[in-house]
Amino acid sequence: AQSVTQLGSHVSVSEGALVLLRCNYSSSVPPYLFWYVQYPNQGLQLLLKYTTGATLVKGINGFEAEFKKSETSFHLTKPSAHMSDAAEYFCAVSGNSNYQLIWGAGTKLIIKP
Amino acid sequence: SQTIHQWPATLVQPVGSPLSLECTVEGTSNPNLYWYRQAAGRGLQLLFYSVGIGQISSEVPQNLSASRPQDRQFILSSKKLLLSDSGFYLCAWSVGTWGTGELFFGEGSRLTVL
Repeated sequence: AQSVTQLGSHVSVSEGALVLLRCNYSSSVPPYLFWYVQYPNQGLQLLLKYTTGATLVKGINGFEAEFKKSETSFHLTKPSAHMSDAAEYFCAVSGNSNYQLIWGAGTKLIIKP
Repeated sequence: SQTIHQWPATLVQPVGSPLSLECTVEGTSNPNLYWYRQAAGRGLQLLFYSVGIGQISSEVPQNLSASRPQDRQFILSSKKLLLSDSGFYLCAWSVGTWGTGELFFGEGSRLTVL
């Protein structure tokens, strides 16, 4: 069965430090990969996605992620954290149909001043 | 541009009472529509999706139901709420395939069942 694992339900970094949120997936077919962000009491917003081509994907707000097929990973990074990055981040992969996404449990990013 | 509206934003209901959450999408035709639930610390759970008017697929057995009376309207209902129905409910829409599209989410409805 397909699954998505996000390592760490909470990640805390200092303002200005590197942000690294980990996502590993299992899939029997090459997936499409997504990162979404959710600010408190709001819906989710797409940060970036990988479909085909270049494995380093750039998204909004300075985030990027790299698809590593050999490691079945799609980790999210940002060189320098801002206070406004505090939110919950979800990794998702395409399922067996056009209507199914497999979601990770989410990682809450905490930014320390 | 496309927008999605979801209401009410907040709802406090007693156990055993009915529920109706509504979602409408503007600016697109024949979208795929979804209802997700987000319980505290448990990520996103797909409840229902719909590929067309009157077509509803249920992902998880529960005392909730969904209906799609119009192309861009999706309704989540319950006849009798349970305590376990508390959570944050998100409506979403998509078009095309995941290779070309994405999920667009509403602002969510927070339901507390007491």
